[in-house]
Amino acid sequence: DQQVKQNSPSLSVQEGRISILNCDYTNSMFDYFLWYKKYPAEGPTFLISISSIKDKNEDGRFTVFLNKSAKHLSLHIVPSQPGDSAVYFCAASDDDYKLSFGAGTTVTVRA
Amino acid sequence: NAGVTQTPKFRILKIGQSMTLQCTQDMNHNYMYWYRQDPGMGLKLIYYSVGAGITDKGEVPNGYNVSRSTTEDFPLRLELAAPSQTSVYFCASSYSREDTQYFGPGTRLTVL
Repeated sequence: DQQVKQNSPSLSVQEGRISILNCDYTNSMFDYFLWYKKYPAEGPTFLISISSIKDKNEDGRFTVFLNKSAKHLSLHIVPSQPGDSAVYFCAASDDDYKLSFGAGTTVTVRA
Repeated sequence: NAGVTQTPKFRILKIGQSMTLQCTQDMNHNYMYWYRQDPGMGLKLIYYSVGAGITDKGEVPNGYNVSRSTTEDFPLRLELAAPSQTSVYFCASSYSREDTQYFGPGTRLTVL
């Protein structure tokens, strides 16, 4: 049973515009959420995270928003750059150290 | 500082063969993890370890075994390979539960 869902397998965006990636979760015990970025033939790398006590966390061009009541989080990338073309995974954990991952969204930034 | 390294990068096995996927980290991390990623799916936790000598099952442990004799190494053993084990395998490590997990580059395994 998939507890973390990324319903958009792919996203295409023009360079300089905003990329918005969405993630939904079903487990109300999740209290920590992360986004990982993955290039082909490489392992995922950590991008940004947010604790359930916050509703927004920002790091440079990347902002994650959390809506606990809707069990929804999103990642905003502004402005999008060609190097942002990658697969983005949403992940969540509860009070243990096990991450549940979504299936990923492939972002393509067009020049 | 190499981070998390995995060998081999690619491997093709016949049904019933066995192999060990190697994982080493040089960051002195206590926690280590093995994940598999099937096409169109998220990463699923196979086994994890919270320190040398301590391992436990994750979400999909069947068909696999692990050991953690040192802090640095966390090998994953497939005893009787099956086509359902065709996947990309990622090893990861973190200093503590709350810390970021750092991933290796992955091993692409095909069982025919």
